[in-house]
This record gives sequence, C-alpha cells and structure tokens, in this order.
Amino acid sequence: SYVLTQPPSVSVAPGQTARITCGGNNIGSKSVHWYQQKPGQAPVLVVYDDSDRPSGIPERFSGSNSGNTATLTISRVEAGDEADYYCQVWDSSSDHLFGGGTKLTVL
Amino acid sequence: QVQLVQSGAEVKKPGASVKVSCKASGYTFTSYDINWVRQATGQGLEWMGWMNPNSGNTGYAQKFQGRVTMTRNTSISTAYMELSSLRSEDTAVYYCARGAGYNDYWGQGTLVTVSS
Repeated sequence: SYVLTQPPSVSVAPGQTARITCGGNNIGSKSVHWYQQKPGQAPVLVVYDDSDRPSGIPERFSGSNSGNTATLTISRVEAGDEADYYCQVWDSSSDHLFGGGTKLTVL
Repeated sequence: QVQLVQSGAEVKKPGASVKVSCKASGYTFTSYDINWVRQATGQGLEWMGWMNPNSGNTGYAQKFQGRVTMTRNTSISTAYMELSSLRSEDTAVYYCARGAGYNDYWGQGTLVTVSS
C-alpha cells in the first residue's frame, strides 16, 4: 500500500521560511492536500491540489509537488503558525491517506 | 456558512457500539461526500471511510471493514458513523469532514472513550 512520509518535527525562527516535506513514490502524479491542526482543534485545510489555497488562508502558505516529494512552504513564519501539519492524498489502493504529521515549532 | 456539528462525547464499554452524528448546514448536503477521520490522543489522523449522501454509497478503510457503518438521513442533513465491537484502542476523537479528494470543512470532533 502507498505510504506518505513526513519529518516528525521542523523548527524555524519567526520571520523565516518553513518547509515541510511529504514523501511518497511518484507523489508528483497525485494531488496533495495539506492540513494545519492546532492543539484541541479540528484540522484546517491550508493547501489543496498541490498548490491552491482555500479562501481565508494567507498567501504565506504555498505548496509544490514534483517527483517523490511534495512540500508545504510557510513564508514569514509567525508564532500562530505553530501547529501539526498533515499531508494527504487519494490513492486507488488506500483511498484517503494521511502522512504521519509534522510538528512545526516556532523558536 | 458551512457547518458540520457533531454529537457529544460518548463513553462505551468494550464490545459495545457507538453511533456518532454529523449535522450539516450552509450547503446542499447531498452535493458533497462525507468522510470520517479519527485521531487517538497524541497520534495522527486516520481515515476511516467515506459516504456519498446522495446515493448512500460508501467506502471503508480495510482496517475498519466489518466494524464500521456509515449512513445518512437526507431529510435532516445528517450523516452517521457507527463503530461496533469497540476496544480500548478505539478511544479517539472522531471527525466528520466534507469533500471527496480533500476535506474543506470539518466537524468539531467527538471524543469516544472505550473503558471498562
């Protein structure tokens, strides 16, 4: 079955750029979606279809997807961006599939 | 505005069943799939299955086949997820979420605790 691999944690200073990766075999051929989840809250969609942003999501959040890696990029990181981030794809063998999640720490 | 409002927390004994509801508002209920996702404390998101509210068609993750049933009542725009033969490992927050390929709106979550 298909597997999505995320780093458990990423740390970044305020104002810098955070990059969270999501690895999978030929993931570039799939549509990747990203969710932000803060403690005690439901996930929030921040990027869909690799690089599109839902309304209300700041332009600081962007996505890319190529080869075996998809990346969520958060520019000019703020303290309020500290959260867990999950990538997700739809795969014919696994249907909805989530990555293991990455905890973003703002130093 | 789109809202998914879930039923309240549940405490169940091992072997029992639980049924969680998800009431949709602010959009046409039958136009979007409903997915169910769960999250154990301190763990990641785990997809359980989907339901098409229009047709009633469902698809379940292999892990939950035979134990989960997803249904709906279109007259009250409500989706349901029933999980049977509960065990302690099923203790988690259960979410409903709208959408097929991606989930743009989520319920607030329902904590299900399985304990003897």
